[in-house]
Formats: sequence, C-alpha cells, structure tokens
Amino acid sequence: SAVISQKPSRDICQRGTSLTIQCQVDSQVTMMFWYRQQPGQSLTLIATANQGSEATYESGFVIDKFPISRPNLTFSTLTVSNMSPEDSSIYLCSVEAIAGGTDTQYFGPGTRLTVL
Amino acid sequence: AQSVAQPEDQVNVAEGNPLTVKCTYSVSGNPYLFWYVQYPNRGLQFLLKYITGDNLVKGSYGFEAEFNKSQTSFHLKKPSALVSDSALYFCAVRVLFSGGYNKLIFGAGTRLAVHP
Repeated sequence: SAVISQKPSRDICQRGTSLTIQCQVDSQVTMMFWYRQQPGQSLTLIATANQGSEATYESGFVIDKFPISRPNLTFSTLTVSNMSPEDSSIYLCSVEAIAGGTDTQYFGPGTRLTVL
Repeated sequence: AQSVAQPEDQVNVAEGNPLTVKCTYSVSGNPYLFWYVQYPNRGLQFLLKYITGDNLVKGSYGFEAEFNKSQTSFHLKKPSALVSDSALYFCAVRVLFSGGYNKLIFGAGTRLAVHP
C-alpha cells in the first residue's frame, strides 16, 4: 500500500479566503483523487488528477472553486477558493495503487477545514 | 444508475458477538467491491475487496465479506467483535468508464458500536 500525507491536518479559515491542501505520496502513482466529506456524510469525489493532464471534475464541482495541481507523480494540491461556511468539510486525497493485482484506492489522513 | 446502499445507519453489537454490516450494490457489469473503515479524526483505511474468484474475501483485522451475486450484496462480517472495532464503515463500488477513467462510489456509511 501507499503512504500518503496531507498538509495541513486541520485549519480554521475566514470566509472569502482560500486554502491550499497538499497531498504527498511515498511512491509514484498515476491516478490521484480528491474527495470531500461533509459533516456526518459519506465521501463525494471532487475530481481526478492525473499527472500531465487537466483534472477531471465531477458534476457539481468546478475548477474555479477547486483548482487542482498535479506537477509530478507523487504530489498534488487542492485549493478551496473563496470559502464559505458550506465548505467546512474533511478533504481527503487518495491514490490508486496496485494491491493483489488490482488497483485499490488508499486514502490520506484528511484535512479538516472549518470556515467561519 | 450505479449505486451502493448501506441500509443501517448504526449497528450495535456486544463485544465477543458476531457482527454484520450490510451493503448492497447496483452496477452494470461485474462489480469491484470494497470495504473501508474510518476511525474518529482519521482517514479511510482499506479493509478488503472483491474482484473475482472466491465469494468469501478475508481482510484486515479479522474482517471478511461475502459476495452474493444473486442478492447483489457484499456484507462485512467478523466472528467476534472487539470494542476497538467501533468506527464508521463504508462500502464502495468501483465504476469503470471508457479511456481507463474510474471512480469509487461510496455508500452512506454505517456506524458500528461495540459495547463491552
């Protein structure tokens, strides 16, 4: 499995500001994903980030609000822009790695964001 | 539409008793099914997966899951529950799209509470 770290682990931000979340993996991976987990809810995929191409966003998520960078095979960032209290969530990155011959997603510890 | 259902918001079980966390799915084609666990203030941890082969899949921490194609179910089980198993459990199905793009669709989650 892959070892994934995220920074920051948590933050409290003012509305209207932006926060960039970093995701670092200990091995090269092709596919990285960003998820949002709103309080008491399940995970919702924001976008898929492949190195060397534009991120693919899910319905309801747009690049202007959640710009993503993927400069290499071990690193990605997600920015939450112009934040509002509704953006208060846990943001998780995941990577797809080979496990038992089939791709499995492994998750980082998450970034807990509170917007005041 | 492709989806995953976890019909129980919460499951309560006494320590030492067997536990079952239910999951049903609706996908086209052969399903790739996963179970993840989330402990408080932590990211998701991969427990086990079913791709093909034996319907009974064994995973981490003594958990296992049984794939039942006729009932479109993938219930998580453990013969003897521990208090430390108390956590939030997510079932997920991997959906494949053209061009190699894929994503996980998660159930709503089931909170497992194991009482001493």
